Amino acid sequence: KNQVEQSPQSLIILEGKNCTLQCNYTVSPFSNLRWYKQDTGRGPVSLTIMTFSENTKSNGRYTATLDADTKQSSLHITASQLSDSASYICVVSAFNSGYALNFGKGTSLLVTP
Amino acid sequence: GAVVSQHPSRVICKSGTSVKIECRSLDFQATTMFWYRQFPKQSLMLMATSNEGSKATYEQGVEKDKFLINHASLTLSTLTVTSAHPEDSSFYICSARVGRGEKLFFGSGTQLSVL
Repeated sequence: KNQVEQSPQSLIILEGKNCTLQCNYTVSPFSNLRWYKQDTGRGPVSLTIMTFSENTKSNGRYTATLDADTKQSSLHITASQLSDSASYICVVSAFNSGYALNFGKGTSLLVTP
Repeated sequence: GAVVSQHPSRVICKSGTSVKIECRSLDFQATTMFWYRQFPKQSLMLMATSNEGSKATYEQGVEKDKFLINHASLTLSTLTVTSAHPEDSSFYICSARVGRGEKLFFGSGTQLSVL
């Protein structure tokens, strides 16, 4: 079973609207959680990274939250733009000898005019 | 910010030929580099992890003789797809990590099409 589950699998919203993407994980012991944006045919680009002690981090119109107790994270996108259409990937790193990376399957976001 | 350069961005080759993909960390030394493949609308699938100067660790189901990984320096790793076949057609991405911690950067990916 995948240790990082993202929801929804896909999402369509109107330009200008807000949306929230979810990431639940079971990775333990926890090291950090990252959100990436991946445009089609491109490599992922980092949006935010949070460690255990951080519960919110913003990057422009992107705000990530982390609840390490419930092992949940969300990515909130404010005032969406057409260029926000992409896949958003949650990656959780384990605090072990290999610092293994665990990838969610991503949420595909489509912003329409 | 840190940059990982991946080349080529797109390659088309004939079945049976070998293709080399390069991944360079431009302004930092990457302790560990990772190689992934990604099919359309699918998530990234880790193929192998390589540490500079040592043999790569391959994920289950990934043929090490098919996908040769060389990590000769702290700034360069290469993936060679040997005797490529159409089923090897995919999007290949590298990433580079500094130490064991927070800094993880991805290349821009290589679209391989085998005819």
